[in-house]
Amino acid sequence: DAKTTQPPSMDCAEGRAANLPCNHSTISGNEYVYWYRQIHSQGPQYIIHGLKNNETNEMASLIITEDRKSSTLILPHATLRDTAVYYCIVRPELRSGGSNYKLTFGKGTLLTVNP
Amino acid sequence: NAGVTQTPKFRILKIGQSMTLQCTQDMNHNYMYWYRQDPGMGLKLIYYSVGAGITDKGEVPNGYNVSRSTTEDFPLRLELAAPSQTSVYFCASSFPGGQTEAFFGQGTRLTVV
Repeated sequence: DAKTTQPPSMDCAEGRAANLPCNHSTISGNEYVYWYRQIHSQGPQYIIHGLKNNETNEMASLIITEDRKSSTLILPHATLRDTAVYYCIVRPELRSGGSNYKLTFGKGTLLTVNP
Repeated sequence: NAGVTQTPKFRILKIGQSMTLQCTQDMNHNYMYWYRQDPGMGLKLIYYSVGAGITDKGEVPNGYNVSRSTTEDFPLRLELAAPSQTSVYFCASSFPGGQTEAFFGQGTRLTVV
């Protein structure tokens, strides 16, 4: 699986947009970019994923560069409850009978939202 | 749906003791996983299963065993507990196929003394 690089920590003011970067320069054509977050000591929570188009859901937006070597997770209006470790994960598309379905977690980015 | 349920939430073991961490899911997911997370670190995959009767090793399987007799349950067994197994353990599950999210339990915090 392609490796990802994220900054260890970031700060954001409450109410402002939080932009979390991720580099995945060795990503392959069939690999998706997934984002999860882990709020203190809880189990990780899925946020969003994408292949090459930008994606948006009720939690966040995902912007993937045209060459797919990096991406940015955007929390449009960060709240104190968004303080968490955010993980960027590259994962091959699961295929029937395939084995590349596991998620490989790095250390992620600790986002601290300040009042 | 309860999602992924792990028991117990906390446990203290003495060196050499054994125990089973329970994980059950009610979403009819084929895939289930066990991760461990050491302080300040990311999650590391211990074992995974693609369906009942099928299990395989992840990154850090030594000292653990698993079984998958039903779709719902995926217990993790520690046979001879060691201090190095002090960690938080997370179970997860997902559907097969592309573009599926994994659902995680709330974790079991294990201390081996």
